[in-house]
Amino acid sequence: ETGVTQSPTHLIKTRGQQVTLRCSSQSGHNTVSWYQQALGQGPQFIFQYYREEENGRGNFPPRFSGLQFPNYSSELNVNALELDDSALYLCASSLKGATEAFFGQGTRLTVV
Amino acid sequence: SQQGEEDPQALSIQEGENATMNCSYKTSINNLQWYRQNSGRGLVHLILIRSNEREKHSGRLRVTLDTSKKSSSLLITASRAADTASYFCATATNNAGNMLTFGGGTRLMVKP
Repeated sequence: ETGVTQSPTHLIKTRGQQVTLRCSSQSGHNTVSWYQQALGQGPQFIFQYYREEENGRGNFPPRFSGLQFPNYSSELNVNALELDDSALYLCASSLKGATEAFFGQGTRLTVV
Repeated sequence: SQQGEEDPQALSIQEGENATMNCSYKTSINNLQWYRQNSGRGLVHLILIRSNEREKHSGRLRVTLDTSKKSSSLLITASRAADTASYFCATATNNAGNMLTFGGGTRLMVKP
């Protein structure tokens, strides 16, 4: 167990809807990163948050947005869901400047 | 887009044999990390090698890095059935070394 928890574990949404995924960081970790992993592929970096501000972003459209709260927990929001958004969404926490990332078990999102 | 490409995509061996997985990447890196993933769940950090290192060991794991060829290899010695999983290399290009670009992974099956 890494101490990073994600909720929910599974979710089914309809195309066009909005979804919010949640992540609780490992205690003391101030940096949270989100990744999208399509079936059979490696994870792709969505964005990273540090001290409640976006600290870096991958090649994802603006309908993917996030938040980090003062307790370092985080949310990933996706608007106007598309079928291709179906994937495992992984959250990873780390210390700023530290290289090892600790991953949660992921949220499997299915868009129908 | 994915920075790293793993080779082979799938590997099947007998328990006790060694497993070698290779990873190639495209740009200059801060570090390269290897992760393991069981059945599409969370990723577990295995080992990190910095750009100025050439080889690193951790238990039954041996990682090499050749920055001139932009490639790395992961060797698992004396494999066990419990090593069955997907293995991903990930490169970090930011200064903090924690924004990761993953390869497509190698699916390893170790037969008892």
